[in-house]
Amino acid sequence: DAKTTQPPSMDCAEGRAANLPCNHSTISGNEYVYWYRQIHSQGPQYIIHGLKNNETNEMASLIITEDRKSSTLILPHATLRDTAVYYCIVRVASGGGTSYGKLTFGQGTILTVHP
Amino acid sequence: GAVVSQHPSWVICKSGTSVKIECRSLDFQATTMFWYRQFPKQSLMLMATSNEGSKATYEQGVEKDKFLINHASLTLSTLTVTSAHPEDSSFYICSARIQNIQYFGAGTRLSVL
Repeated sequence: DAKTTQPPSMDCAEGRAANLPCNHSTISGNEYVYWYRQIHSQGPQYIIHGLKNNETNEMASLIITEDRKSSTLILPHATLRDTAVYYCIVRVASGGGTSYGKLTFGQGTILTVHP
Repeated sequence: GAVVSQHPSWVICKSGTSVKIECRSLDFQATTMFWYRQFPKQSLMLMATSNEGSKATYEQGVEKDKFLINHASLTLSTLTVTSAHPEDSSFYICSARIQNIQYFGAGTRLSVL
């Protein structure tokens, strides 16, 4: 699976939008971009995923550049409870092979939301 | 989203004993489950992929005889840490996949004295 690069930490004011960037310049055509977050001492929580189109759900929006080499996760109105480590992962979403299904976690971005 | 339940959430054991951790998919069937380990201030590391009805696939460097995985049904996978030692103390997390999304359990914190 392609490697991702994320800033180690970011700050955001409560109520403002949090924009978390991710670079994945070596992404392959059959690899999706997944975002998870991990709040301290809990298991990771799925946020959103996409292939090439922008995606939105009740938690966040995912903006993928046209060349798919980078993406941005947007939390539109950050709250204190959004403080967590956010992981951007690229992964083959279907098909066979040893890489199918594996999520490889990097160091992620520590997002701290301030009052 | 789908729910993955993990039990126990916290366990303390003496060195040399074995500990079993259960991972259940509560509202879906999962032919494949995954086991991760996370040390303090580090990221999650995949230990093994658990396949229902067949042997688990272990990542390089993970001792299959120490970390026994059983996936006997479509909703249950277990990880047994055999002859646990203090260096096995860690946060163990399971996950199950449905429709190309992996959902994670809350994790089990193992402390070996």
